[in-house]
Amino acid sequence: AQSVSQHNHHVILSEAASLELGCNYSYGGTVNLFWYVQYPGQHLQLLLKYFSGDPLVKGIKGFEAEFIKSKFSFNLRKPSVQWSDTAEYFCAVNGENAGNNRKLIWGLGTSLAVNP
Amino acid sequence: NAGVTQTPKFQVLKTGQSMTLQCAQDMNHEYMSWYRQDPGMGLRLIHYSVGAGITDQGEVPNGYNVSRSTTEDFPLRLLSAAPSQTSVYFCASSRQGANSPLHFGNGTRLTVT
Repeated sequence: AQSVSQHNHHVILSEAASLELGCNYSYGGTVNLFWYVQYPGQHLQLLLKYFSGDPLVKGIKGFEAEFIKSKFSFNLRKPSVQWSDTAEYFCAVNGENAGNNRKLIWGLGTSLAVNP
Repeated sequence: NAGVTQTPKFQVLKTGQSMTLQCAQDMNHEYMSWYRQDPGMGLRLIHYSVGAGITDQGEVPNGYNVSRSTTEDFPLRLLSAAPSQTSVYFCASSRQGANSPLHFGNGTRLTVT
């Protein structure tokens, strides 16, 4: 079955520490990959996405993610986190031929707390 | 630029009551959807629509109805509320296409007692 696995459920960091959140997927085909962020009490918003081209994609607020096809991974990174990065982060995968988002597969999310 | 507007923000219902969660988008998106978010279970798709007059079930449709009479609006109806429907509900829209990101509303926190 198709699935998305986010290995870290809860991460606690100090400000200026580096961040890497893991995302692995199981899907038998070409994929579109997304990271969404949900700040406390707010709605989800797109952080970055990959659908083709350079496997290293840059998003908002200094985040980036690398698509490694051979490892079925799309890990999220940030060199130096800030207190304002405290949020929940969701990885999501969609098949290239899906046509729309009805089959978008979500990870369970990683809760990041950044201590000032 | 309003984006996706959801109302109400909070709602408390008694078991057996019905209500409608409203969702409107002003981006002319063909695709609209409703999710529920529960701790430890991530986001689960309730219903979705690919255009006016077209709706279909998602992963957890039982106890919910939807309709799409216009491109802009996609209300979610709880027919007879149950405590298991206590959750945070998000409406989301996007253009058609598997690489189109979802735009989310601010959510409705529903408690059923």
